[in-house]
Amino acid sequence: QVQLQESGPGLVKPSQTLSLTCTVSGGSISSGGYYWSWIRQHPGKGLEWIGYIYYSGSTYYNPSLKSRVTISVDTSKNQFSLKLSSVTAADTAVYYCARSLSYSSSSSLFYWGQGTLVTVSS
Amino acid sequence: AIRMTQSPSSLSASTGDRVTITCRASQGISSYLAWYQQKPGKAPKLLIYAASTLQSGVPSRFSGSGSGTDFTLTISCLQSEDFATYYCQQYYSYPPTFGQGTKLEIK
Repeated sequence: QVQLQESGPGLVKPSQTLSLTCTVSGGSISSGGYYWSWIRQHPGKGLEWIGYIYYSGSTYYNPSLKSRVTISVDTSKNQFSLKLSSVTAADTAVYYCARSLSYSSSSSLFYWGQGTLVTVSS
Repeated sequence: AIRMTQSPSSLSASTGDRVTITCRASQGISSYLAWYQQKPGKAPKLLIYAASTLQSGVPSRFSGSGSGTDFTLTISCLQSEDFATYYCQQYYSYPPTFGQGTKLEIK
């Protein structure tokens, strides 16, 4: 059973960089095939897909966030990470990591972390 | 980006009822549509993918249909554990986008 767990600071100051890590257990990122995504949910709102990374390191970002987002992978630690720069209060959200259902970039999301709330405030 | 519009935004129903939630895409997405269930404080749970394929372990009272731009999620006989918020998601083109959600509440 694959499990994902987000970790990182729960409070970030405006203009700083939000950094989160997703640790994967029960399966190996480097075994290939799956796409590993970050999604966020503003308080009381809907879901926004941020971007994905493939085990090879290839990425795709939501154009709405592309200028501020970096997703990276560390296969040795079985982790992938999110960095979001120049944050504002509008970036306050619950951040989820997730894995694709299938070996395709056009896939639904099957495994999800439990989510972590990041608040942007001074 | 493809816009996904769900209706209704909220719905009150009773245990045992049959309910239908609709999702419309701003352009054709073939059958690249998923439905998720989210309960408060929890991550979304995948119910249906490819518009009508039930994810393993999901009760058969859930069903999905549609293709192109119009889709439906039907719950045939509501159980107490079904009261939650439901989201549709298209994964036909990037970026993947979600509907705004439908909150299913107990009447």
